[in-house]
Amino acid sequence: SQKIEQNSEALNIQEGKTATLTCNYTNYSPAYLQWYRQDPGRGPVFLLLIRENEKEKRKERLKVTFDTTLKQSLFHITASQPADSATYLCALGNNDMRFGAGTRLTVKP
Amino acid sequence: KAGVTQTPRYLIKTRGQQVTLSCSPISGHRSVSWYQQTPGQGLQFLFEYFSETQRNKGNFPGRFSGRQFSNSRSEMNVSTLELGDSALYLCASSLEAGKGNTIYFGEGSWLTVV
Repeated sequence: SQKIEQNSEALNIQEGKTATLTCNYTNYSPAYLQWYRQDPGRGPVFLLLIRENEKEKRKERLKVTFDTTLKQSLFHITASQPADSATYLCALGNNDMRFGAGTRLTVKP
Repeated sequence: KAGVTQTPRYLIKTRGQQVTLSCSPISGHRSVSWYQQTPGQGLQFLFEYFSETQRNKGNFPGRFSGRQFSNSRSEMNVSTLELGDSALYLCASSLEAGKGNTIYFGEGSWLTVV
């Protein structure tokens, strides 16, 4: 069956460091992959989209990579700030969107 | 431009009852999808509607149903509620179905079944 795994339930890092979140999947060939941010009690907010024929995408302090051979996406937040603290979800898409369970990132000042 | 609007925001129901949740998508968006979010299971896909037709359905029992109206507004219904149905129900809209379109989520409807 299809499985989407995000590296860890929680990740704590120091302000200014780079946060790296992992999304692995099995038994799935997504046409695209998206990353979302979710704050407590709120709906997820779209951050980045990367398609299967793309290796890397950047947006300001965010970078996402997509390796269809490894079946893995890495999501990086550089120069992290306490305001980046949230849960980050990866979502794989073909005809529909399937989400990972999320990684709760805490950036400490 | 108004975002995705979900009503009600909070509700409490008793086991065995039924519930209807409503979603108004962003103006111009024709695709609406529904998700259930619980601490243990994360975001689980329920179903997606496009132009009033159900396009995809997740792995949920038949007690979960939905529909979309000609103005793209959508409703989902859960009958014979169980305690395990307590969750945050999220609606999301996009311009078209699939194709990697950005989906925009509402704030969700918090359902508690007692």
